[in-house]
Amino acid sequence: SQQGEEDPQALSIQEGENATMNCSYKTSINNLQWYRQNSGRGLVHLILIRSNEREKHSGRLRVTLDTSKKSSSLLITASRAADTASYFCATPGVGNEKLTFGTGTRLTIIP
Amino acid sequence: DADVTQTPRNRITKTGKRIMLECSQTKGHDRMYWYRQDPGLGLRLIYYSFDVKDINKGEISDGYSVSRQAQAKFSLSLESAIPNQTALYFCATSDAGRTSYNEQFFGPGTRLTVL
Repeated sequence: SQQGEEDPQALSIQEGENATMNCSYKTSINNLQWYRQNSGRGLVHLILIRSNEREKHSGRLRVTLDTSKKSSSLLITASRAADTASYFCATPGVGNEKLTFGTGTRLTIIP
Repeated sequence: DADVTQTPRNRITKTGKRIMLECSQTKGHDRMYWYRQDPGLGLRLIYYSFDVKDINKGEISDGYSVSRQAQAKFSLSLESAIPNQTALYFCATSDAGRTSYNEQFFGPGTRLTVL
């Protein structure tokens, strides 16, 4: 079963614009992770935010976490064509033994 | 991630055949995972292993088996392949034994088609 659910399922924006995607989850967590998947390739870890953090930055990425609403958002600023990919949130199970991935947001950057 | 390799990268097989997908890693990680991905869906966990003697079922283990031959190698077998096992299969590793969080590193995937 999916723990996380991303919204929107698909997003198309012009190059240079900002892209925001959201993730909602169901149970209490101690961290939330975001991954990127280029078409047909393996996932790549982007950023991890701990449950005691509200916001985290990494380059053009900004992640927020609201544990009261069980939601997270990923903002990509000044988008580039190379950002075209699917983005997944992932939440840990008990004891951080495994991750459960959402269904992903497919982001298309229009040059 | 070149540190996690999967073979073969593509495989076409027929219903009823036994298939083995292999995963090797040079990251020195204890934990290894097998996922499948179907179009438009996220990843679903098939099996995972914390060390050579520790194998655990994931959410969709039926029809699959695994072998952890060494810390660096984790193989996935389809005992008798069926068409609905057509999917993209990923191996992943993590070092959660030494850190608090389960950041995972993925292989490039194996595209399996069962006719």
